[in-house]
Amino acid sequence: NAGVTQTPKFQVLKTGQSMTLQCAQDMNHEYMSWYRQDPGMGLRLIHYSVGAGITDQGEVPNGYNVSRSTTEDFPLRLLSAAPSQTSVYFCASSRAGLYGYTFGSGTRLTVV
Amino acid sequence: AQTVTQSQPEMSVQEAETVTLSCTYDTSESDYYLFWYKQPPSRQMILVIRQEAYKQQNATENRFSVNFQKAAKSFSLKISDSQLGDAAMYFCAYKNTNSGGSNYKLTFGKGTLLTVNP
Repeated sequence: NAGVTQTPKFQVLKTGQSMTLQCAQDMNHEYMSWYRQDPGMGLRLIHYSVGAGITDQGEVPNGYNVSRSTTEDFPLRLLSAAPSQTSVYFCASSRAGLYGYTFGSGTRLTVV
Repeated sequence: AQTVTQSQPEMSVQEAETVTLSCTYDTSESDYYLFWYKQPPSRQMILVIRQEAYKQQNATENRFSVNFQKAAKSFSLKISDSQLGDAAMYFCAYKNTNSGGSNYKLTFGKGTLLTVNP
C-alpha cells in the first residue's frame, strides 16, 4: 500500500511562476486536503475535498487552486508564486469518523 | 470555530524520564475526536494516539497515554520512559463528529518541540 504519494519533495520557484503539487492516494479515502506548515503556525488548511467533483476553501486559500476529478488525485496549483508561499506543504487523506489523517511526505517549496 | 492551543512551544526531558505535553481546545460540540501527531526531523506526520470524547477512559498506546479532561477541555499527552527517538514536534488536533465537510477537518495546535537529553 503506497498510502499518500506527494510530489515533488523539494521545489524552488521564481516569483510569478506557476506550478502544480501532485497528490495521489490509493486507500479509497473520500476526504483529501492540503495544509501548509510554517514555523510557529502549526498546520493551516488551504483547500479540502469530500469527494470527486467537490472542493472547498480552508483557512488560507488565497493564491491556490484545486480540483478533484477522481477519488485518487487532488492536485494543488499555485497560480502566481509569491515569497509568502514559501512553506512546507502536506497533502492528507482520511475517512470520516475516528480516523486520523494519512499524510504525504511533504513538499518544501521556496519562492525566490 | 474550533481552536486548539498548545501552550508549551518547547519542552525537554531526560532519557528514561516522563514528560507531559499540554493541549487545550475550544468547542461547543459534545462529541468529537482528539489526536496527537508526532513529526520527527524526517518531516513525516505520524499518528501517535487518538481519543473519542464520549469515552471517559483515557487512551493508551504503549509508552504514550493521554489525560482527557472533557469539562476542562484538556487533552494532555504523557510519554513514559522517554527515548531519544521520541524527540520531535508534537501536534494536538481536533476533529468533529457531525456530518458534512466539517466531519473530516482536523484543526491543529501550533505544536510543541520535544527534546530528549541523553
